[in-house]
Amino acid sequence: EAGVVQSPRYKIIEKKQPVAFWCNPISGHNTLYWYRQNLGQGPELLIRYENEEAVDDSQLPKDRFSAERLKGVDSTLKIQPAELGDSAVYLCASSATGVRNEQFFGPGTRLTVL
Amino acid sequence: GNSVTQMEGPVTLSEEAFLTINCTYTATGYPSLFWYVQYPGEGLQLLLKATKADDKGSNKGFEATYRKETTSFHLEKGSVQVSDSAVYFCALSDQGGSEKLVFGKGTKLTVNP
Repeated sequence: EAGVVQSPRYKIIEKKQPVAFWCNPISGHNTLYWYRQNLGQGPELLIRYENEEAVDDSQLPKDRFSAERLKGVDSTLKIQPAELGDSAVYLCASSATGVRNEQFFGPGTRLTVL
Repeated sequence: GNSVTQMEGPVTLSEEAFLTINCTYTATGYPSLFWYVQYPGEGLQLLLKATKADDKGSNKGFEATYRKETTSFHLEKGSVQVSDSAVYFCALSDQGGSEKLVFGKGTKLTVNP
């Protein structure tokens, strides 16, 4: 069974540029999460989707971050414009309905903002 | 709010040594507790979990017991291997149906042959 797929794996951009990350969850998983992991820290939840609905986006900086999960499968997280402090690893995870606490993580996208 | 505190790393051990990584938590209600492992260049993987007091989670020789009286979930392994070198994260899921995972800062383990 394929795991959570993320792309790109690495991204280097100049500040004020836009950037987007893509996630394809495990087939059949209805719940999708985006986390941000700063260097030397644990992941922190940005947004959680149940199918196509964002049910928890309280930690998403909405002035510059946006996310979508059209058709309840793939998801895209966007930052526009990026700031130096956005440098981090962005992790996507998914879980199946009924066993929500067992989250399966992708390898992450390491973003560097110069 | 809910929080998780892990022992500071890095931890360096010789092969076959005993491992303990301390984890304590602060939470309202009765959270579920987890240990995740992150190998170099890979995503986080669930190592073990416990969902109620006195439960013991175990996997790959690792164990952790949910201690409500001390609000702890320490990770232990009797004999570590070089392949156990990774970063270990303790986490909890808060009650209330949010299913949000709250992570500690992680502890980097290096096992030398």
